[in-house]
Amino acid sequence: GENVEQHPSTLSVQEGDSAVIKCTYSDSASNYFPWYKQELGKRPQLIIDIRSNVGEKKDQRIAVTLNKTAKHFSLHITETQPEDSAVYFCAASNTGTASKLTFGTGTRLQVTL
Amino acid sequence: DSGVTQTPKHLITATGQRVTLRCSPRSGDLSVYWYQQSLDQGLQFLIQYYNGEERAKGNILERFSAQQFPDLHSELNLSSLELGDSALYFCASSLYGSSYNSPLHFGNGTRLTVT
Repeated sequence: GENVEQHPSTLSVQEGDSAVIKCTYSDSASNYFPWYKQELGKRPQLIIDIRSNVGEKKDQRIAVTLNKTAKHFSLHITETQPEDSAVYFCAASNTGTASKLTFGTGTRLQVTL
Repeated sequence: DSGVTQTPKHLITATGQRVTLRCSPRSGDLSVYWYQQSLDQGLQFLIQYYNGEERAKGNILERFSAQQFPDLHSELNLSSLELGDSALYFCASSLYGSSYNSPLHFGNGTRLTVT
């Protein structure tokens, strides 16, 4: 089955700096890659996703890039703010009938003033 | 608010007992997914139902079972509970059976504590 690895496990940046979180996946059939943000004690919330027919997607301060050949994708957050502090999860799935989302282990992002 | 409703919010029970977690998906969503999140851990996929039928199975223990009813709500049954079953259990729903075509939206979870 699919295996998703995520790095780093923790990341501390100063407010205004950029943050990058990287994930690799194992199943070449995977073609959908969402990112979820989970604040302490709350539910995971979808923040951005990308499908394999595009290489990059942007939404204001966040962007995701996908390299299908290398089987890795990354989340980029620019101009970080304290409210960006949370745990971020990447995930992967495919369009098969059993298209469960497999999640990475999460990155705890701390944005300091 | 995601529109996915999970009850109860908290559950405290003893080892060996059985509990039922309930999930109501967003209006119109046909798929329900169950995930387990242990302390400081990631999200482990347990099982998916689509329109009443089991669609995919993950690392779900034999002591655990689930079903989706005709009104599309789902229940996760956990039996012979062990201390290690203490976790946050999330339900998510999506419109279709494939997450590719319809993103997952998570409920607020049920925190299970086994003592």
